Amino acid sequence: NAGVTQTPKFQVLKTGQSMTLQCAQDMNHEYMSWYRQDPGMGLRLIHYSVGAGITDQGEVPNGYNVSRSTTEDFPLRLLSAAPSQTSVYFCASSYSVDRMNTGELFFGEGSRLTVL
Amino acid sequence: AQSVTQLDSHVSVSEGTPVLLRCNYSSSYSPSLFWYVQHPNKGLQLLLKYTSAATLVKGINGFEAEFKKSETSFHLTKPSAHMSDAAEYFCVVSDTGGFKTIFGAGTRLFVKA
Repeated sequence: NAGVTQTPKFQVLKTGQSMTLQCAQDMNHEYMSWYRQDPGMGLRLIHYSVGAGITDQGEVPNGYNVSRSTTEDFPLRLLSAAPSQTSVYFCASSYSVDRMNTGELFFGEGSRLTVL
Repeated sequence: AQSVTQLDSHVSVSEGTPVLLRCNYSSSYSPSLFWYVQHPNKGLQLLLKYTSAATLVKGINGFEAEFKKSETSFHLTKPSAHMSDAAEYFCVVSDTGGFKTIFGAGTRLFVKA
């Protein structure tokens, strides 16, 4: 099993450019989420999804869009990048909500984004 | 509303001495509590979790944590630090479904030889 796979690992953008961070999991997890990690602030939830076709906002959703067309994939889109979006982004997944979902998250290795 | 406070941003110990990383939480219902570890330039890995079973939870690599409801604490301990324990540690609170997961700001552990 590959677990949670994120691409790209590194990206540099100019202000105003758009891009998509890809996330895929092969564990048949229904729950997927995106976090950003900034120094001294831990991880903050951007968006999450509890299944295909269902998404919701987290703590810091502004400037980001998501969609969930399949169980496996949960891409994060930056429509018009800003320097404030310079961060490390983590995708995470978790077990189906129909089972004993204890909230344990499985993380990708992160995508480091710099916006100039 | 849920919240997590990690009381120390940095902790420094000598190899072979005990480790204590402190975490207080706030939750309006019975939470699940976790500790994750992040080594440099890596993703996060689960160390241990509390989900309303035994209050003393044992995790990987000799770490354990005790859930104290009266103190709203979930401190992480290890009897003897190893150089490989140097990393950042996150205390996390989650509702039962895991949808609302709140991370603490993190504690960076330094281990001196």
